[in-house]
Amino acid sequence: AQRVTQPEKLLSVFKGAPVELKCNYSYSGSPELFWYVQYSRQRLQLLLRHISRESIKGFTADLNKGETSFHLKKPFAQEEDSAMYYCALKGYNQGGKLIFGQGTELSVKP
Amino acid sequence: DGGITQSPKYLFRKEGQNVTLSCEQNLNHDAMYWYRQDPGQGLRLIYYSQIVNDFQKGDIAEGYSVSREKKESFPLTVTSAQKNPTAFYLCASTLQGYTGELFFGEGSRLTVL
Repeated sequence: AQRVTQPEKLLSVFKGAPVELKCNYSYSGSPELFWYVQYSRQRLQLLLRHISRESIKGFTADLNKGETSFHLKKPFAQEEDSAMYYCALKGYNQGGKLIFGQGTELSVKP
Repeated sequence: DGGITQSPKYLFRKEGQNVTLSCEQNLNHDAMYWYRQDPGQGLRLIYYSQIVNDFQKGDIAEGYSVSREKKESFPLTVTSAQKNPTAFYLCASTLQGYTGELFFGEGSRLTVL
């Protein structure tokens, strides 16, 4: 079965603290994973994808096949990071659809 | 201004009525998708279309219908058969040779009274 699990509904941290948003997946084969972000009153948009191994807005995510995880990390959270974050897996059928996790709301307090 | 436009933003419907949500894109994207977003459940795929005049059911297609007569347009009809239609609906599109980056509209919130 193809599945994405984000165990935390809400994550609340103080500005400057490290952040880790958890994502676990279930997939047969080599997964393609993504993080999407939805800021308040804005569209859902791509934050980063694991194949690019990029860092966007200070966020990174490493694919750990052994633990089937793709956690999103940032060493020092900023207030503007407050948003809804979705982990997504590209499915191998249904037109390569994206399978989304339940989402984690990140709240960064001043 | 390129992008995906969904309308209306807010829609109220009485029980037993069908309602159609519009999704238009001028990005020249081949594939279009409809997702439903519910709190605590993430995004779930309703229907998708990879080319004109062709579409497939997603995971929760029951009670919904779509058409793809033009590349730019992918309207979603929420029928009276949909048991729990109150939700936030998101339309998305992507290029063929799909890299996983979906471009989303701003969404339509449907409330059944």
